[in-house]
Amino acid sequence: GAVVSQHPSWVICKSGTSVKIECRSLDFQATTMFWYRQFPKQSLMLMATSNEGSKATYEQGVEKDKFLINHASLTLSTLTVTSAHPEDSSFYICSAALPGNTEAFFGQGTRLTVV
Amino acid sequence: SQQGEEDPQALSIQEGENATMNCSYKTSINNLQWYRQNSGRGLVHLILIRSNEREKHSGRLRVTLDTSKKSSSLLITASRAADTASYFCATEQGSYKLIFGSGTRLLVRP
Repeated sequence: GAVVSQHPSWVICKSGTSVKIECRSLDFQATTMFWYRQFPKQSLMLMATSNEGSKATYEQGVEKDKFLINHASLTLSTLTVTSAHPEDSSFYICSAALPGNTEAFFGQGTRLTVV
Repeated sequence: SQQGEEDPQALSIQEGENATMNCSYKTSINNLQWYRQNSGRGLVHLILIRSNEREKHSGRLRVTLDTSKKSSSLLITASRAADTASYFCATEQGSYKLIFGSGTRLLVRP
C-alpha cells in the first residue's frame, strides 16, 4: 500500500518555542492531507484539512494561528505548533488520501512534549 | 462533538474468544472504516464497508453496518494476544475526510 512518513516521531521542546512536524507521501501524490490530534487513551480529533496550493481548512475550535499548516507540494504537508505550551503536548498524526482510493494512509505519528 | 461513540470503551477477553465492538455515528456517510492502533503508534486500516453494504468479511474480521440505526459492529473471531490494540471506527463523509469514534481498547489475555 501507499506509504506516509511523518517526522519527527517524537520531540521535546521548551514552552514558547515552535515545532514543525512533516508529513510526506512517499510513493504517491496527495492533494489532500489531514492532521489529527490524539490525547492519551482518547480518539483522534481532526484538526484540519491540508490542501495543496491553498489554505488549510480548520475544524471548529482549532486555532489556525496556533497550528500553522503548509502544503507546498503534492508530497509534503507541515504542521507548525507555534508558541507551544504544555497543554499542546499530544500525539499528532497525519494522513493522506490517495485519489481514487477510499482508504486513508496514516503516518506513524509524532509525540510532542512541551516542557 | 465530531465523534461517534464506541462501546465498550474497554474489553478484556481470553485468547480464542471472539471480540465484538460497536460503533454509532451521527451523520450520513459514504462509507465506514475500522482501524487498529497499537499503543503510541499510527493507524492501520482493517476494513471498509460502503453505505450500501450490510456485511463484509476479511479473514477473522466481520463488519456489519446498519445505516437506519447509524451503527456498525466489528467482530474479531478466534482472538489472539497479538490482537491487543485500540480499535476505532471512522466515517467518511466526503472528500476523504474521516471522523473517528471514541475507540475500544481490546486486551486479549494469553
